[in-house]
Amino acid sequence: QKEVEQNSGPLSVPEGAIASLNCTYSDRGSQSFFWYRQYSGKSPELIMFIYSNGDKEDGRFTAQLNKASQYVSLLIRDSQPSDSATYLCAVNRSWGKFQFGAGTQVVVTP
Amino acid sequence: GAVVSQHPSRVICKSGTSVKIECRSLDFQATTMFWYRQFPKKSLMLMATSNEGSKATYEQGVEKDKFLINHASLTLSTLTVTSAHPEDSSFYICSAGDTNTEAFFGQGTRLTVV
Repeated sequence: QKEVEQNSGPLSVPEGAIASLNCTYSDRGSQSFFWYRQYSGKSPELIMFIYSNGDKEDGRFTAQLNKASQYVSLLIRDSQPSDSATYLCAVNRSWGKFQFGAGTQVVVTP
Repeated sequence: GAVVSQHPSRVICKSGTSVKIECRSLDFQATTMFWYRQFPKKSLMLMATSNEGSKATYEQGVEKDKFLINHASLTLSTLTVTSAHPEDSSFYICSAGDTNTEAFFGQGTRLTVV
């Protein structure tokens, strides 16, 4: 069983719509969760992280965490073509050490 | 945020040769750095934890004699791929963090072994 699972996509989203990305994790003791964006051939860049159950908003992005269901999601509002990328869900295993999901490819169509 | 610099960004080498990749923390001291490998359309897989002044800790299945890690100072870790083969061709990424809240990634190194 993979420790962090994501739907690989591609997820096609019309420009201006909401993109919804999902991630599940297997380690119930996990405490912190991260969403990274990765453009092709580039390193991941942090979008946001979440520690507590509920929603956390940052600009057009909202992360949602449900520890009971071992589920974390990312919503991208008003999707733009520049949001087209692969989105990686990551769980912090220990200090600085991350377990990544395989990523969901998002394609925003004009 | 903290800056991690990785060099080179791209390298092509002949099969059987060795390649060294550098990872530097530019504005903070990193006692621990991490090396990841990413195959096309796959996720980042942690290879090893680089510890300043001591031996690296390798993940299961990663050959320590093939992927030599040296962390001689608080700002520099190096990964040497020894006797490289075409199957070692991959995207190698280092990371470091000055807190436990996030990882700062280097720019990555695209290694192609021909």
